[in-house]
Amino acid sequence: QVQLVQSGAEVKKPGASVKVSCKASGYTFTGYYMHWVRQAPGQGLEWMGRINPNSGGTNYAQKFQGRVTMTRDTSISTAYMELSRLRSDDTAVYYCARDLTLVVVAAGYWGQGTLVTVSS
Amino acid sequence: DIQMTQSPSTLSASVGDRVTITCRASQSISSWLAWYQQKPGKAPKLLIYKASSLESGVPSRFSGSGSGTEFTLTISSLQPDDFATYYCQQYTTWTFGQGTKVEIK
Repeated sequence: QVQLVQSGAEVKKPGASVKVSCKASGYTFTGYYMHWVRQAPGQGLEWMGRINPNSGGTNYAQKFQGRVTMTRDTSISTAYMELSRLRSDDTAVYYCARDLTLVVVAAGYWGQGTLVTVSS
Repeated sequence: DIQMTQSPSTLSASVGDRVTITCRASQSISSWLAWYQQKPGKAPKLLIYKASSLESGVPSRFSGSGSGTEFTLTISSLQPDDFATYYCQQYTTWTFGQGTKVEIK
């Protein structure tokens, strides 16, 4: 079965960077886009971008251009999301999510989420 | 960017009620719309894709309709497990609505 397991909670100071990992299992990692979505406390869902694990190609939401970097390591079926120049309003739960199928590119599978707290 | 607007933001209902949530897109998205359910502290769960296709394992009391810019999620008979927040999403470029919280009346 498809599983996405994320790294643990992080506490960072303003201006620092954070790198969250998402280890995939139960399917061919290079076959499906991996997306990153975040949710600030009490707020809605916000798409940050996606990576094609096969090619490494990325698409980022305009809001995060220049601050986010998505990468992958195909040898260990793991995707990464790094956010730099952190601010207090980056405090959120960060999720990785995979397309349901090759045709249905809605989020059929989600990681458990990683809480990133930005505080001085 | 395509904007998604849900209404209402909060909905108070009782077990057994028929519940309808509306989602509007700022431009046509054909049928590229999904609905998710999220409970506190949990990741969202896909309920509906392609506007009206029920994801495997989702109870048949959930249904979706619409195309173009207007979409609805209907729960035919609200169950205790259905009290949660619901999000629509257009997945041409992945934008979510702001969410609708379904709470106990």
